[in-house]
Amino acid sequence: QKEVEQDPGPLSVPEGAIVSLNCTYSNSAFQYFMWYRQYSRKGPELLMYTYSSGNKEDGRFTAQVDKSSKYISLFIRDSQPSDSATYLCAMRGNTNAGKSTFGDGTTLTVKP
Amino acid sequence: SAVISQKPSRDICQRGTSLTIQCQVDSQVTMMFWYRQQPGQSLTLIATANQGSEATYESGFVIDKFPISRPNLTFSTLTVSNMSPEDSSIYLCSVDMASQPETQYFGPGTRLLVL
Repeated sequence: QKEVEQDPGPLSVPEGAIVSLNCTYSNSAFQYFMWYRQYSRKGPELLMYTYSSGNKEDGRFTAQVDKSSKYISLFIRDSQPSDSATYLCAMRGNTNAGKSTFGDGTTLTVKP
Repeated sequence: SAVISQKPSRDICQRGTSLTIQCQVDSQVTMMFWYRQQPGQSLTLIATANQGSEATYESGFVIDKFPISRPNLTFSTLTVSNMSPEDSSIYLCSVDMASQPETQYFGPGTRLLVL
């Protein structure tokens, strides 16, 4: 079993829809929970991260972490065609700088 | 922030040959890493490139197959040796400026196809 499982997708939604992307994990040592966005033929770029449990909001994006359930989510409100990309969840412990464990990614398409 | 460039951006190689991928960063960084992203799969850490010493490899990856050099704080190379079609993948260089998620950056990747 993988340490990080991500809902596989692909997802296709109309513009303006609310999108929910989810990951589960098994390693209790994970403390940092990240979401990366990867456009085609580009490297991943950090979208948001959360330390430990809780919610974090940045514009149209909200990240949620529930450590008791080992479950994280990324919500995208008012989705735009420019949000079309692959979204990767990633996690690491306090001392594993740069050494993150990634989910397989969910490809999102937002249709105008 | 850090700007990372990789060469080549893509290549098609014959099985049994080797390819060296270069990673150049626009500022000095302590930590550099090499990841692999196979089609439809997650990023997997290959190794940590240590400046002036041997790289630290993750489970399942060995130096003979993926030799890594790190001659200074801005440059590293990854060689994929004796390639087979299973090595077809995207290889990504990554740096971490200050041990925080917001200070980790990825290069654009090198797309390798082995025939």
